[in-house]
Amino acid sequence: AQSVSQHNHHVILSEAASLELGCNYSYGGTVNLFWYVQYPGQHLQLLLKYFSGDPLVKGIKGFEAEFIKSKFSFNLRKPSVQWSDTAEYFCAVTLGTDKLIFGTGTRLQVFP
Amino acid sequence: DTEVTQTPKHLVMGMTNKKSLKCEQHMGHRAMYWYKQKAKKPPELMFVYSYEKLSINESVPSRFSPECPNSSLLNLHLHALQPEDSALYLCASSQGGLATDTQYFGPGTRLTVL
Repeated sequence: AQSVSQHNHHVILSEAASLELGCNYSYGGTVNLFWYVQYPGQHLQLLLKYFSGDPLVKGIKGFEAEFIKSKFSFNLRKPSVQWSDTAEYFCAVTLGTDKLIFGTGTRLQVFP
Repeated sequence: DTEVTQTPKHLVMGMTNKKSLKCEQHMGHRAMYWYKQKAKKPPELMFVYSYEKLSINESVPSRFSPECPNSSLLNLHLHALQPEDSALYLCASSQGGLATDTQYFGPGTRLTVL
């Protein structure tokens, strides 16, 4: 079955540290990839997405992600995190329909 | 306006009750979605409406009954729920229901079934 894996379940960082959250999917065909963020008490919102073109995608709030087809990966990065980045991060894919399949999520805690 | 609104914010119901969740968007989107999110888990798709027609039902039990009265509104009717149905119910919408479209999420309705 198609799946999305996020191996980092809980990440703890200090402010200004660099961030990389892993995302792998198990599907060999065309995929569309998304990163969503859920800040405490807020609704899910899109950070960035990829469906074609430059595999390095820039999103909001200084986040970026790189699609590496050979590794079935779409890792999220940010060079310097802030306390306000504390949130739950979800990688998600669609596989030809608009059925969004979410990964298990990564909880990020950033300490000042 | 990129907002999806959901009412109520919280709902407590007994197993014999009938209640409804409401979702509204005024972005002109033609696809709307219901998701269920249990604590510390990712959202799971329940239903998709595309151009006001049900296009995906993820084998959801019949005690959940979706309805799309018009392109801006989406309801989820609840009847004879079980305690394990307690969760955060999220509504989302997208412009055309394409695989590449961004889905915009509402804040959710937190449902507790006693």
